[in-house]
Amino acid sequence: AQSVTQLDSQVPVFEEAPVELRCNYSSSVSVYLFWYVQYPNQGLQLLLKYLSGSTLVKGINGFEAEFNKSQTSFHLRKPSVHISDTAEYFCAVMKGNTPLVFGKGTRLSVIA
Amino acid sequence: NAGVTQTPKFQVLKTGQSMTLQCAQDMNHNSMYWYRQDPGMGLRLIYYSASEGTTDKGEVPNGYNVSRLNKREFSLRLESAAPSQTSVYFCASSRGETINEQYFGPGTRLTVT
Repeated sequence: AQSVTQLDSQVPVFEEAPVELRCNYSSSVSVYLFWYVQYPNQGLQLLLKYLSGSTLVKGINGFEAEFNKSQTSFHLRKPSVHISDTAEYFCAVMKGNTPLVFGKGTRLSVIA
Repeated sequence: NAGVTQTPKFQVLKTGQSMTLQCAQDMNHNSMYWYRQDPGMGLRLIYYSASEGTTDKGEVPNGYNVSRLNKREFSLRLESAAPSQTSVYFCASSRGETINEQYFGPGTRLTVT
């Protein structure tokens, strides 16, 4: 079975500082990787996804993630965060056409 | 397009009561999903429907039933609610092809007392 580990449950960061949210997955076969964002009292929306090809994936709102097969990681980065980036971020993995498996989430708090 | 809609937004039940959470999508998607979200647990799949007429159990199906009423609608039923089912419930849909993103509804916050 697939599993996803988000290494940090909470990440506080000052406004305009860079941030990295870490995600590791367990699988010995090809998988597809996603990052979703959940703003307070809302549903989830897709930030970016890795299906194949270039290992550096760019998403919405200036976020990007790098797929590293040897380390089974898919860390999310942003070079300069804004207050509006305060939200919970979920890493998710899919194998074939099976449903997504989500990590437990990382709460990003941006401090003014 | 409204996307994925869920009703109700909030609900309070007493232990043992039953209720149905409704979900509808207007994107002509084939696959639909029900998740629950609990603090520190992420999202856990309850049931899903890969296509109209099929349903499958997810990670945490006990205490729930589902109905794929038609291509648009996928309901989740709690027959006898328990306090452990206090959670936020999300419905999602996807095209159902090999790899595609899921679109989420706004959620239903359920409290069982």
